[in-house]
Formats: sequence, structure tokens, C-alpha cells
Amino acid sequence: AQSVTQPDIHITVSEGASLELRCNYSYGATPYLFWYVQSPGQGLQLLLKYFSGDTLVQGIKGFEAEFKRSQSSFNLRKPSVHWSDAAEYFCAVVVSGGYNKLIFGAGTRLAVHP
Amino acid sequence: GAGVSQTPSNKVTEKGKYVELRCDPISGHTALYWYRQSLGQGPEFLIYFQGTGAADDSGLPNDRFFAVRPEGSVSTLKIQRTERGDSAVYLCASSLSQGNTIYFGEGSWLTVV
Repeated sequence: AQSVTQPDIHITVSEGASLELRCNYSYGATPYLFWYVQSPGQGLQLLLKYFSGDTLVQGIKGFEAEFKRSQSSFNLRKPSVHWSDAAEYFCAVVVSGGYNKLIFGAGTRLAVHP
Repeated sequence: GAGVSQTPSNKVTEKGKYVELRCDPISGHTALYWYRQSLGQGPEFLIYFQGTGAADDSGLPNDRFFAVRPEGSVSTLKIQRTERGDSAVYLCASSLSQGNTIYFGEGSWLTVV
């Protein structure tokens, strides 16, 4: 069965430091992969998505992610974190079927120290 | 409004009561989804509508849960005989059609006491 694993439940970084959030997926075919961010009191917001093509995808708010088929990974990165990036981040994969039935990981909560 | 709208934003109900949660998708979006997010977990798929019909309801946990979308726009998630384990944030999302980017609402936080 398809699944998404986010190994880190909670990460703390200092403002200005680089960030990498890990995501591993289990899926038989070529996956459609997503990263969403959820801030308190706000809905899930799409940061970026990978469907095909270039394995390094750029998203909003300065985030990027790299698809590595050999490692079944889709890690999210940002070179310099801002205090406003503190939120919960979810990796997700689309289950095949012609529509967006998303399977989410459990999320990684990011805290940013000044 | 421009985004997916969900009401109520918060609902506290007693165990055994009936609850309705409403979702107003982005105008023109034919695909609508309901997800449930329990504390400390990622969202879990409940049901998907394409137009008025439920194309996939495989995520509904049991027959106490039901959802409708009679005119292909607004959807209502209905929960009968609520249990404490139903406490969660219920997220609605919509997309222009199947296969397009999904946009989520802010959710309805349900607490069953």
C-alpha cells in the first residue's frame, strides 16, 4: 500500500540557518509528490509539487524539493529559514486513480529560534 | 469568497449527537474532497465528489458518516451518533477538476465531549 514517512516529528532551527525536511514514500509507480504547510488557524497551503521532468522543483516562499527515485525520497529544503516559516509541514503522494486522493505523512513541526 | 469556506470553524457537541459540517468550494471547482485530521497526524482521505456524485467514499470510517453534494457545489458532511473518537479537524478541499491542484479550507474543528 502507498505510504509516506516523515521521520522527523519535530525540528528546531535558528533563524537564518538552512533547513531540510525529510520525506520517504512507498509507491509502485511514478509518484506525484507534494509538500504542504499548515500554520495555526490556517488551511493547508501547497508549497510545491512534482509530477515529472526536472527532479529539483521550486516552490513558494523560497522552498525547493528534490525527487530522488533511487532513495524514494522527496526532501524539502530552504537555504535560510525565517521566523515566519515556523509551522507544520506535510509531505503527500497522490494515489493513482485519476484524481487527487492524497496520502499524507504525519507531518514535521518546525520551530525557529531567533 | 476566493477560497474554500468551511462552517462552523469550531463545534463542540455531546457524545451521541448529530453534527453537520458545511463546505463551500471555490467557485467553478467540480471536484470536492473531505479529509479528517486527528491530533498529531496528517490528514486522512474520507470522500471525493466529482460533481454531485460521490466517486470514492472508501475513506469514510463507518456508516455513521455520510456526505452529500446535491447541486454540485456546497457539500455537507454528516456524522450521526458522534463518538469521542470523532474529535478531529475536518478539512474540505476542492480542485478545478480531477487531477488539478487541490486547495484546502481552514477546517472545522469538531470536539465531542
